[in-house]
Amino acid sequence: DGGITQSPKYLFRKEGQNVTLSCEQNLNHDAMYWYRQDPGQGLRLIYYSQIVNDFQKGDIAEGYSVSREKKESFPLTVTSAQKNPTAFYLCASSSQGRTGANVLTFGAGSRLTVL
Amino acid sequence: GIQVEQSPPDLILQEGANSTLRCNFSDSVNNLQWFHQNPWGQLINLFYIPSGTKQNGRLSATTVATERYSLLYISSSQTTDSGVYFCAPGANFNKFYFGSGTKLNVKP
Repeated sequence: DGGITQSPKYLFRKEGQNVTLSCEQNLNHDAMYWYRQDPGQGLRLIYYSQIVNDFQKGDIAEGYSVSREKKESFPLTVTSAQKNPTAFYLCASSSQGRTGANVLTFGAGSRLTVL
Repeated sequence: GIQVEQSPPDLILQEGANSTLRCNFSDSVNNLQWFHQNPWGQLINLFYIPSGTKQNGRLSATTVATERYSLLYISSSQTTDSGVYFCAPGANFNKFYFGSGTKLNVKP
């Protein structure tokens, strides 16, 4: 089945440690995204990538880094510079269809807790 | 960026009731999607609807782009409809802005 796989599902980290969240898609989508969701809030865009080897900062990129070396993969590193990293992280992908629709498909999410 | 306001923030329904969720946005858009987030956090796309009206079973959506709002209708609600509903308008190819959502609780 085509879809987006995020891992790990749950992650605990000590303060001062970097952690990398994995996102893999087999939908052949060109664009990929990382969003952050805090309790009771909507989603905020961290980074997005339209093509391989290119990515842009979203609205809350400080303290995060990404890479896009393969079309299928878009890992997110939460660095120690991120002051409040405890959150639910969602990866998404999209591809403009024949009608021009750009529809987001989401993974199941990774829940990061900093101890 | 685009400001998104969703109402109501919370909604409690008895099973079988109908409801209307509203999404107002601050700027012109060429993309708008509605999502349902289940209690486990999974987001499912319900509609891609930058303008006009669409229906899918008990759900339908209408976007009036010139007046900067979109509506999601849920008819004959079921307990499985519970969760959070988000609208996400976008003004260019790859940037979408999410509202804070409407949390729906359908009671049996």
